[in-house]
Amino acid sequence: DTGVSQNPRHKITKRGQNVTFRCDPISEHNRLYWYRQTLGQGPEFLTYFQNEAQLEKSRLLSDRFSAERPKGSFSTLEIQRTEQGDSAMYLCASSLGGLGGLLEQYFGPGTRLTVT
Amino acid sequence: GDSVTQMEGPVTLSEEAFLTINCTYTATGYPSLFWYVQYPGEGLQLLLKATKADDKGSNKGFEATYRKETTSFHLEKGSVQVSDSAVYFCALYSGGYNKLIFGAGTRLAVHP
Repeated sequence: DTGVSQNPRHKITKRGQNVTFRCDPISEHNRLYWYRQTLGQGPEFLTYFQNEAQLEKSRLLSDRFSAERPKGSFSTLEIQRTEQGDSAMYLCASSLGGLGGLLEQYFGPGTRLTVT
Repeated sequence: GDSVTQMEGPVTLSEEAFLTINCTYTATGYPSLFWYVQYPGEGLQLLLKATKADDKGSNKGFEATYRKETTSFHLEKGSVQVSDSAVYFCALYSGGYNKLIFGAGTRLAVHP
């Protein structure tokens, strides 16, 4: 169990460019979440996958944002035509899904995006 | 919708002082409650949790009790250490897919 990993750890891009982040969850975890954290705030939910199915999306996830989880393993989050307001830490978390029990979410270290 | 409110920081304490960080929530039903901690330069880590009213979560000397009547989940520690300096987030599970709703975080600084 190597934990949740995210790449890259840091990304600096110019406004208008597209960026893509990757999350590798803990291998046996079927649930995957993306959150966004801005400076001085708590993380905010963006989207949720169970296996390869994207089952919930926040209103925060505008049309410029898209997330995928092909084959139910790693996930990617793409932001098109980045804006300065997209600057934030993007966090990925994973958990086991199933009946009963408390399904703890394990967080990755995050990808810090800076849009200049 | 569901929400979490926690006391603003920063909280500055001397080593061995008593710590309380207040957290209240608004939610339908009886959500599971959590405290997460973020040490400098590190990712979020689960500190403790409680799943039903009157449950007490505890870990590393920290405790929090799920109070349904006051919709609160205050974090306490009897004697803080410099190594406890971090940002603490109160959170709850919301909805059928267990997405986490976080408070804004409280920064704790402990001085020797």
